[in-house]
Order: sequence, then structure tokens, then C-alpha cells
Amino acid sequence: LAKTTQPISMDSYEGQEVNITCSHNNIATNDYITWYQQFPSQGPRFIIQGYKTKVTNEVASLFIPADRKSSTLSLPRVSLSDTAVYYCLVGEGNTPLVFGKGTRLSVIA
Amino acid sequence: KAGVTQTPRYLIKTRGQQVTLSCSPISGHRSVSWYQQTPGQGLQFLFEYFSETQRNKGNFPGRFSGRQFSNSRSEMNVSTLELGDSALYLCASSSGSDRRYEKLFFGSGTQLSVL
Repeated sequence: LAKTTQPISMDSYEGQEVNITCSHNNIATNDYITWYQQFPSQGPRFIIQGYKTKVTNEVASLFIPADRKSSTLSLPRVSLSDTAVYYCLVGEGNTPLVFGKGTRLSVIA
Repeated sequence: KAGVTQTPRYLIKTRGQQVTLSCSPISGHRSVSWYQQTPGQGLQFLFEYFSETQRNKGNFPGRFSGRQFSNSRSEMNVSTLELGDSALYLCASSSGSDRRYEKLFFGSGTQLSVL
């Protein structure tokens, strides 16, 4: 079973900022949080990873509160090409990474 | 660096046949994981190989098997195909280091259709 919970779907207009929140109540002390993006008929692609506070790269930002029981992926000024499924994963020891159903983001013109 | 290469890209088989899918990981990566993706079940973990040894296995029947070679290339085999095996099969490579912050690099997948 996935260790994370995230919304099934979200809609947004082009140019808006999109925030996708992921719940991981049972995250362990040493676990990292990783987000992937998947387009239809392609494999998931790594977006961003963090442990605590805030991480930013050229694609997105990741906000992690102090209790680390949730995290928020922020996509600035989305475009139609950002329409995809976004997965939130929590890594743990030697167990395989489990992908849940993800969040299907639809960007509307 | 070249990415993860999966062959073939598309495959059509009939029930009862067997199939072998191939995955070449990123150079230097020692871990290869396989996932099955269907519209109803999402991405499901099949198995993972690290240095030619199966390190983890998902909840799939014994018809699904795999192996890894000394050059880290991996194959997965499905015997006695069933209609429900129709799916996108994805291979992911990684360094095989600490899972807590490991990043997976996926191939484009093999789309298998069982008729």
C-alpha cells in the first residue's frame, strides 16, 4: 500500500500557480519525499526531492512543514504542457518505492 | 549519458504465449526495477534486481519472472499470457544506494497487448 495520500485530480488555468499537497502521516525520521511527473505512455520523470523546509529547482518548489507529515509541490505559472499525473513518494530503507494513483493535473487554456 | 532503454516499444501477443522484455539501465546503475501500469491499478511494483540478485518482489504470480545480467541489463518474462497482462511495462534504473533518497530513472516502457 502507498504510504502517501494525495488528491485524485486537479484542474487549473494556464498561468496560475498550482499546489498539490501530499499527506504522509507515518513518515519515518530518515525518509525523504520525492515527486515524479508522468505523461501518457511514458515513464515517470523525477521532479524534485526534499527532506525538510523548502527546496526549489528550475521546475518546481517543494514545501515541507516542520512535522513533515505532509508536503506541497508547487508549480509556478503552469502551461498546457504541465498536464500530467504527479506522484508523491516516501522512500524507506530497502523497500521498493511504491507509487500510488497520483494526482491527475489538467491545465486548461 | 544515455537514458534507460526498453525494447521492444510495442508488442502484441495472444493468450497462452510467453514474452520477454528487455531493459538497459543507465551506465553505472546497478539496480533495475520493473513496474506494471494499467489504467485501473496504476503503477504496480513487480520486482527489483541489484547486482544480479532479486532484492524485492511484488505481489504478482509466478508467471512473472526476471533476471539481471552482469552488465546490469535486465529482462523480464511473462509466461502463459492472460488478457489481463495487457499493460505498459516500465523499467527503472537507479544507483541502488539508500532507498530513502534514491531517484528512479524510467524508460519509455513496453506496451504489451494480449489478444
